[in-house]
Amino acid sequence: DTVLTQSPALAVSPGERVSISCRASEGVNSYMHWYQQKPGQQPKLLIYKASNLASGVPARFSGSGSGTDFTLTIDPVEADDTATYFCQQSWNDPPTFGGGTKLELK
Amino acid sequence: EVQLVETGGGLVQPGRSLKLSCVASGFTFSSYWMYWIRQAPGKGLEWVSSINTDGGSTYYPDSVKGRFTISRDNAENTVYLQMNSLRSEDTATYYCAKDLIRRVWAFDYWGQGVMVTVSS
Repeated sequence: DTVLTQSPALAVSPGERVSISCRASEGVNSYMHWYQQKPGQQPKLLIYKASNLASGVPARFSGSGSGTDFTLTIDPVEADDTATYFCQQSWNDPPTFGGGTKLELK
Repeated sequence: EVQLVETGGGLVQPGRSLKLSCVASGFTFSSYWMYWIRQAPGKGLEWVSSINTDGGSTYYPDSVKGRFTISRDNAENTVYLQMNSLRSEDTATYYCAKDLIRRVWAFDYWGQGVMVTVSS
């Protein structure tokens, strides 16, 4: 299975820019997607196919990358962005998720 | 407004069975692939199963293959997950999710989730 590696946690101040990385153990083309999950809630799709903004998602969120290295950027970060962010690949079978990056606001 | 509502969770003994349901509304259910994804307490996400639009093709990871069965009733806008021979490691919140775009396998709407606890 394709392993997706994410940093466990990040802490940033409101108004700053943050980049959350996801590295795949093998190439996933552009089939990388990003989700936001707040405590006690279901995940929410933010970015699909590496760089496409999902419907209703603020333009503060953006995605980039291809192959094995991908980045979710939030600029500027707002207090409401406190959450865990998961990447997910769907190029290789089975689809897999990263372990998540918990974003905390200072 | 798209809504996905899961039901059927609960406490079950190892080796027993449970069937989850997910009722969909707010979109043309029969036009979309549907998925089940689970999350063990305090852990990450794991894809559990997929079903195509007419129910003729289904997919599973090795961890549940042969034990879980996904199905759908397009007349009732409902997707099901039949779980047999349950194990303690199946304990998780189970989400049903809707396909964003065919063949992309990204999940644009998720239900609120239903908890399944496997314990004696």
